[in-house]
Amino acid sequence: DVKVTQSSRYLVKRTGEKVFLECVQDMDHENMFWYRQDPGLGLRLIYFSYDVKMKEKGDIPEGYSVSREKKERFSLILESASTNQTSMYLCASSSTVFPYEQYFGPGTRLTVT
Amino acid sequence: GQQLNQSPQSMFIQEGEDVSMNCTSSSIFNTWLWYKQDPGEGPVLLIALYKAGELTSNGRLTAQFGITRKDSFLNISASIPSDVGIYFCAGSGGSNYKLTFGKGTLLTVNP
Repeated sequence: DVKVTQSSRYLVKRTGEKVFLECVQDMDHENMFWYRQDPGLGLRLIYFSYDVKMKEKGDIPEGYSVSREKKERFSLILESASTNQTSMYLCASSSTVFPYEQYFGPGTRLTVT
Repeated sequence: GQQLNQSPQSMFIQEGEDVSMNCTSSSIFNTWLWYKQDPGEGPVLLIALYKAGELTSNGRLTAQFGITRKDSFLNISASIPSDVGIYFCAGSGGSNYKLTFGKGTLLTVNP
């Protein structure tokens, strides 16, 4: 079974702090994704990576950056956390081969106060 | 960009009832996926559909890939309390491995 793990289930940070969210997958998938999920807005893609050190902006990249130094690990960075970044953050991975099924981690509930 | 309309937004049903939800797209998709998300958890893949007209079952769940390739539906038969959660559809088109997600259907099952 595919396993995607995220470093924290719950995080509380203060405004202005630098926040790191980490994601690890064990299926040797090339693609990894970061989404945020907010009520009424569904899942929105922040960034994705299709290879080590390669990344592309998603639909809402502002205020976020990412790092992928190893194939299995994809990190989301909030350089200076703000209250409007309070959300559920979901990591996913998939193969580059059809049918591109994405497998999700359990999520990190981030609260910025 | 591609958009997915998922309906209904929410459903309140009695245990034992059947449930149906659907997604329609403005674009053609090559893959339709259905996920379930339990409260406070990440989405879990339930069913994947790869061919127009395909009908696939997973236990009490049945999903179909529409003939036009622009829609899909998910049925749940004889619902039970643990079916509670948010059900998402997702689709991908062409060689693009990014998924487009519906906004989800919140299912509540009254015992």
